[in-house]
Amino acid sequence: EAQVTQNPRYLITVTGKKLTVTCSQNMNHEYMSWYRQDPGLGLRQIYYSMNVEVTDKGDVPEGYKVSRKEKRNFPLILESPSPNQTSLYFCASTRTGENTEAFFGQGTRLTVV
Amino acid sequence: AQSVAQPEDQVNVAEGNPLTVKCTYSVSGNPYLFWYVQYPNRGLQFLLKYITGDNLVKGSYGFEAEFNKSQTSFHLKKPSALVSDSALYFCAVRDFSGGYNKLIFGAGTRLAVHP
Repeated sequence: EAQVTQNPRYLITVTGKKLTVTCSQNMNHEYMSWYRQDPGLGLRQIYYSMNVEVTDKGDVPEGYKVSRKEKRNFPLILESPSPNQTSLYFCASTRTGENTEAFFGQGTRLTVV
Repeated sequence: AQSVAQPEDQVNVAEGNPLTVKCTYSVSGNPYLFWYVQYPNRGLQFLLKYITGDNLVKGSYGFEAEFNKSQTSFHLKKPSALVSDSALYFCAVRDFSGGYNKLIFGAGTRLAVHP
């Protein structure tokens, strides 16, 4: 089954404690991205990757890092989380092409206290 | 800059009645438009897309959307709503600026279907 898998689904952490949210896709997609969802703001792109070892900032990259060492994996790293990063996070993957839809993971609800 | 607006935070409709969730867009060039649905505690699921061709696009779960270029709208519709359609709906447009493509989302509309 084609899917994007995120872990963990829920996470409560304290300010400043480094964390990683993993994302893996089994569709051999080139393009992967991370979004955060906040009430009234929809989804906003944090980082994206066009292929292995190619990553770039999205609209709200501050406080986040990513890596793309393998095509299937695209982890999101918060080196020093702060309460304003409390949000619902989604990983997405897309086959390269103008008319292709994105596939989303189940989401990770992060709370930073 | 590309943008999407969903003017209604919430739409309420009785089961069996037709439903419409509104979306307007602003893009330079041809629009590539998408609708996604988010059920509670679930990720976003793709419903349908407009790329080119017929202005009426049919998608999953009996949903359809009407592309209107003159009104720059892409409203989501269903002839007969079900309680199980209650969810959060997002309209999105593909943004090709900067040499890469990403989705720009509206703020979302919560659909509540009452028995």
